[in-house]
Amino acid sequence: QSVLTQPPSVSGAPGQRVTISCTGSSSNIGAGYDVHWYQQLPGTAPKLLIYGNSNRPSGVPDRFSGSKSGTSASLAISGLQAEDEADYYCQSYDSSLSGYVFGTGTKVTVL
Amino acid sequence: QVQLQESGPGLVKPSQTLSLTCTVSGGSFSSGGYYWSWIRQHPGKGLEWIGYIYYSGNTYYNPSLKSRVTISVDTSKNQFSLKLSSVTAADTAVYYCARGTATVTGSDWFDPWGQGTLVTVSS
Repeated sequence: QSVLTQPPSVSGAPGQRVTISCTGSSSNIGAGYDVHWYQQLPGTAPKLLIYGNSNRPSGVPDRFSGSKSGTSASLAISGLQAEDEADYYCQSYDSSLSGYVFGTGTKVTVL
Repeated sequence: QVQLQESGPGLVKPSQTLSLTCTVSGGSFSSGGYYWSWIRQHPGKGLEWIGYIYYSGNTYYNPSLKSRVTISVDTSKNQFSLKLSSVTAADTAVYYCARGTATVTGSDWFDPWGQGTLVTVSS
């Protein structure tokens, strides 16, 4: 059971902006642990998209941005493209569970 | 460019031990600041962190799996391995190895990942 909650799905037309929320608690995001985001294209391994709440690894388009506030974090995709259709997962550390935790995952559909 | 590749049996019988190996190439396996991790994904489900090992051999496991997990390292071969004992159908999943970047705050992330290998537990 995931301790980080994400909406099951979000959708948008090409060019639009969508956001994905990641809701945690006082033992993970609210405790100050950073949030990271991964993109999983169909049939492939997850790929790091955002680290340290808002940092993009080299090669990740600046259409992807992350933020964190309180016990939640968000991933925004602006200028949505067909190639962005994928599952997205947030990840942090939980001090109560003494381990790394992932979000429930969100499927992004480009209409 | 560090790359990781999982290998091992794709089918394991119930009650037996699942064994997988991850081979690391393109980088220094023994450099500090990184943890070598195992993560799994049940079919159609989310991600679950299993545990990690530091190149020195120090390990850290998910408490929910700790009693059944052993992660070891062979620095001479740039490999680390996972053993999961007493498996059941609930352990059927895609198993990924990944490099974890250690931070002073414990806010570690995983990058890169191996391509993953499906392990099915069935008689």
